[in-house]
Amino acid sequence: AQSVTQLDSQVPVFEEAPVELRCNYSSSVSVYLFWYVQYPNQGLQLLLKYLSGSTLVESINGFEAEFNKSQTSFHLRKPSVHISDTAEYFCAVSFGGTSYGKLTFGQGTILTVHP
Amino acid sequence: DVKVTQSSRYLVKRTGEKVFLECVQDMDHENMFWYRQDPGLGLRLIYFSYDVKMKEKGDIPEGYSVSREKKERFSLILESASTNQTSMYLCAGKGGGLNYGYTFGSGTRLTVV
Repeated sequence: AQSVTQLDSQVPVFEEAPVELRCNYSSSVSVYLFWYVQYPNQGLQLLLKYLSGSTLVESINGFEAEFNKSQTSFHLRKPSVHISDTAEYFCAVSFGGTSYGKLTFGQGTILTVHP
Repeated sequence: DVKVTQSSRYLVKRTGEKVFLECVQDMDHENMFWYRQDPGLGLRLIYFSYDVKMKEKGDIPEGYSVSREKKERFSLILESASTNQTSMYLCAGKGGGLNYGYTFGSGTRLTVV
């Protein structure tokens, strides 16, 4: 079965520390990969996506994620976090084949940045 | 990107009521989706539609139905609302080609009392 797993439900870090939010998926077909962010009381915003090409993708606010096909992973990283990065982060996968492009989400990771 | 509008931000309904959640996209895209979001469970797919009058069940369709009479509008229907349907509901539209990606509405927080 196709599934997406975010390995950490909560990640507390101090400001200016590095962070990694982990995401693994299970699939034997091609995939498109996404990270979304949800700030408190707001909707989902696209952070970054991998469709093809370079396996390292970056967002405008310093996050990056690397598609690792052999490990079936798409971990999200930031070298130095800010208080404003406190939010819930969702990994999502669009599986190939006859899925009609539907997105399957992980359970979410709550990132809390402490001063 | 597709712009997606959900008509209500908050709704309170009584158990047993029939509830309609409306979603409109402003682009000519075929694929639209309804998710519900619950703490610790992420977003789970209820139904999706890949064309007018075409619909497919998602992972948790029980207690829900959908309607897609026009390409721009995708409605989620709770036939008889129950307290376990209290949740945040998110609609999404999917763009293709060079603009492949998904745009989500701002969500409807439904409380069933």
